[in-house]
Amino acid sequence: KQEVTQIPAALSVPEGENLVLNCSFTDSAIYNLQWFRQDPGKGLTSLLLIQSSQREQTSGRLNASLDKSSGRSTLYIAASQPGDSATYLCAVGTGTASKLTFGTGTRLQVTL
Amino acid sequence: GAVVSQHPSWVICKSGTSVKIECRSLDFQATTMFWYRQFPKQSLMLMATSNEGSKATYEQGVEKDKFLINHASLTLSTLTVTSAHPEDSSFYICSARDLKLMGGRTQYFGPGTRLLVL
Repeated sequence: KQEVTQIPAALSVPEGENLVLNCSFTDSAIYNLQWFRQDPGKGLTSLLLIQSSQREQTSGRLNASLDKSSGRSTLYIAASQPGDSATYLCAVGTGTASKLTFGTGTRLQVTL
Repeated sequence: GAVVSQHPSWVICKSGTSVKIECRSLDFQATTMFWYRQFPKQSLMLMATSNEGSKATYEQGVEKDKFLINHASLTLSTLTVTSAHPEDSSFYICSARDLKLMGGRTQYFGPGTRLLVL
């Protein structure tokens, strides 16, 4: 059974810092990995999608990497801003049914 | 493109009543829809997978008679929480995929429905 863990569970940084969020998964037989953002009481916003054949994806200040063999992904956020404060979830896609298994989330707070 | 809507966004009901939540794909045909629930400060847990025109497949531990799922068309799936109780209070999120979009392996998420059972 696929298990997805995210470290740290919570993170508080001052504005302007670069930061890294970590995601690990137990079964490397994935076909993609996705990072989402969730604001309190809201739905999911997809940030980056990495296919299993890819090593990284970039969008603006965000960069996500994938090391499938070691079961790890990182989300790098450059020059953090207070508006980046949210919970970040990673999810891995596995199986023919295209199921997503979500991680436990990292709650990020960027302070002024 | 690839927009998924949910209705209602908020619902409060009395214990013992049934509540229906709709999930619609607005600009694509959703061959498969997924239903998740999320408890406060926890991650999303998959409840069931539904394919258009067939019965839903429920994850282990999810009561199919409690959470009725109907996927009657390629753009609509409904989740009915029957005889709701306070412990059913949660955030319910649906997602949809189209085999013709991104190889069918990308799910597009709805905005979620918050259910509060008094």
